[in-house]
Amino acid sequence: QVQLVQSGPEVKKPGASVKVSCKTSGYDFSPYGISWVRQVPGQGLEWMAWVSANNIKTYYAQNFQDRVTLTTDTSATTAYMELRSLRSDDTAVYYCARNLRGSSPDYWGQGTLVTVSS
Amino acid sequence: EIVLTQSPATLSLSPGERATLSCRASQSVTGLVAWYQQKPGQAPRLLIYDGSNRATGVPARFSGSGSGTDFTLTISSLEPEDFAVYYCQQCFNWPRGTFGQGTRLEIK
Repeated sequence: QVQLVQSGPEVKKPGASVKVSCKTSGYDFSPYGISWVRQVPGQGLEWMAWVSANNIKTYYAQNFQDRVTLTTDTSATTAYMELRSLRSDDTAVYYCARNLRGSSPDYWGQGTLVTVSS
Repeated sequence: EIVLTQSPATLSLSPGERATLSCRASQSVTGLVAWYQQKPGQAPRLLIYDGSNRATGVPARFSGSGSGTDFTLTISSLEPEDFAVYYCQQCFNWPRGTFGQGTRLEIK
């Protein structure tokens, strides 16, 4: 079955960076891309970025384009999201999700809580 | 940016009742709206895509309708496990798929 398994919770200090992984299995990695969506505790969902499986194409939301880098490792069928210059308001759960170009995400990872605190 | 506005913010109903959730877009998104269900501590679950297509394994009591700027998620007869937060998302402006702010469906 399709699975996306994310790395564990992180605690970071302001100004640091975090890299979250998303290990996929149960489907052909190539045709799909990976979206990243964040959710501040108690709030709604916010689309951050998308990367093609082959790492050739990336799209970033304007709010994140200067601080986020998405990559993939096709041999490991894993996607990565790095967020730099962390601030306290980056404290959130970060989700990866599978989707085809032009479609809404269908399968989601379990989420990774990133806490930014001094 | 396309803004999605969901209403009501909170809907209080009893099991067995019919639920109607609304999502309005700031401009036409044709039929490219998805609906997600999210329970506490869980990831969102895709229910409906492209306005009216049920995702794999989604019970038939969930249905989606609408086009242009107005969309509806209907749950025909609420089960106890349906009480959750529901989000709409547009993918007309893919990949910048904005979400609505959510509707909380609570037990009356």
